[in-house]
Amino acid sequence: EAGVVQSPRYKIIEKKQPVAFWCNPISGHNTLYWYRQNLGQGPELLIRYENEEAVDDSQLPKDRFSAERLKGVDSTLKIQPAELGDSAVYLCASSLGTLGANVLTFGAGSRLTVL
Amino acid sequence: RKEVEQDPGPFNVPEGATVAFNCTYSNSASQSFFWYRQDCRKEPKLLMSVYSSGNEDGRFTAQLNRASQYISLLIRDSKLSDSATYLCVVNAFGNEKLTFGTGTRLTIIP
Repeated sequence: EAGVVQSPRYKIIEKKQPVAFWCNPISGHNTLYWYRQNLGQGPELLIRYENEEAVDDSQLPKDRFSAERLKGVDSTLKIQPAELGDSAVYLCASSLGTLGANVLTFGAGSRLTVL
Repeated sequence: RKEVEQDPGPFNVPEGATVAFNCTYSNSASQSFFWYRQDCRKEPKLLMSVYSSGNEDGRFTAQLNRASQYISLLIRDSKLSDSATYLCVVNAFGNEKLTFGTGTRLTIIP
């Protein structure tokens, strides 16, 4: 079974440039998460989707970050414009979704460096 | 107080020793508890769920103490391959949102 697939694995951009990350969750996983992980810290939730609905985006910096999951499967996370402080690893995860079954499976992450 | 707190370490432990970590959580309504393992420059992976009665998986034992609001992870007969960061995960708001601790870094020394 394929795991959670993310691309690109690495991205280096200059500040003020846009960047987009893509995620394909495990087949059948209705819940999709985007986390951001800074060096030496645990992952912090940016947004959670139940199917195509964003049910928790309270931690998403909406002035520059946007996300979508149009058909309830793949998702994209966009940053425009990027700032130096956005350098981090962006992790996508998926789960079956119910509270008792919300074990997360993570993708390998997209490592962003903003210069 | 943070929703989920862990001692960041590092813990440097000789091979074969027993090591234990605790993780405290602030919301008494939390119901879901997990330990994830993260190797350097890799993604987090589920190590084990933590059940109310405590549970064991080989050399790993997880415990939940609801009265004091912490979970623990015990590793017996530690191996070099146990070197990693161990992340505590809790549904800290009593709902489906999972909150990660900052992680405890463990290094097993030959």
